[in-house]
Amino acid sequence: GAGVSQSPSNKVTEKGKDVELRCDPISGHTALYWYRQSLGQGLEFLIYFQGNSAPDKSGLPSDRFSAERTGGSVSTLTIQRTQQEDSAVYLCALEWGDLLTFGSGTRLTVV
Amino acid sequence: DQQVKQNSPSLSVQEGRISILNCDYTNSMFDYFLWYKKYPAEGPTFLISISSIKDKNEDGRFTVFLNKSAKHLSLHIVPSQPGDSAVYFCAASAVGGAQKLVFGQGTRLTINP
Repeated sequence: GAGVSQSPSNKVTEKGKDVELRCDPISGHTALYWYRQSLGQGLEFLIYFQGNSAPDKSGLPSDRFSAERTGGSVSTLTIQRTQQEDSAVYLCALEWGDLLTFGSGTRLTVV
Repeated sequence: DQQVKQNSPSLSVQEGRISILNCDYTNSMFDYFLWYKKYPAEGPTFLISISSIKDKNEDGRFTVFLNKSAKHLSLHIVPSQPGDSAVYFCAASAVGGAQKLVFGQGTRLTINP
């Protein structure tokens, strides 16, 4: 989507390995979200960054998941000791008023 | 607990006919509803929204209907076009903004020529 670049677009990793997913807003936004879409599931909220406020981590499914946003711009989502149930499309989104603009996502496959 | 449900995982409609996608919700605090459309290998894009103070919102070929008493909303596309083939997500918010968006599972719409 316009304004949001995600990398890699696809990632295959072995169970137990750590992975890092990147979200790069092309234009500066204060509000950034991570969502994931598992097979057959809706979009699941993971974490929300708003300016210098403490992030809302209420959606992270376990302590293996963490995210940071450096300098109010690039964000990375890290999954440690990946499990097969972590396989999903991970989407980054920026807030435009009441709406979200999504990146194309990273498809993570844990084998 | 699935607060927003799209019970039809897929729908097939003939080109030119009406497509009706349905969404049910359980949280009576939801006051803002949106539909997103998603093509393969792309992120979802906003399609249309409706506030709980209205029961209908129309934008070109797209109309969203909200029935608060039934906690049900629907998206009507008429006439359906091949480019409408995509996955459609219903989303709801309790605070009128993006932060608390809860999404349904999505419905894959296929428009047949």
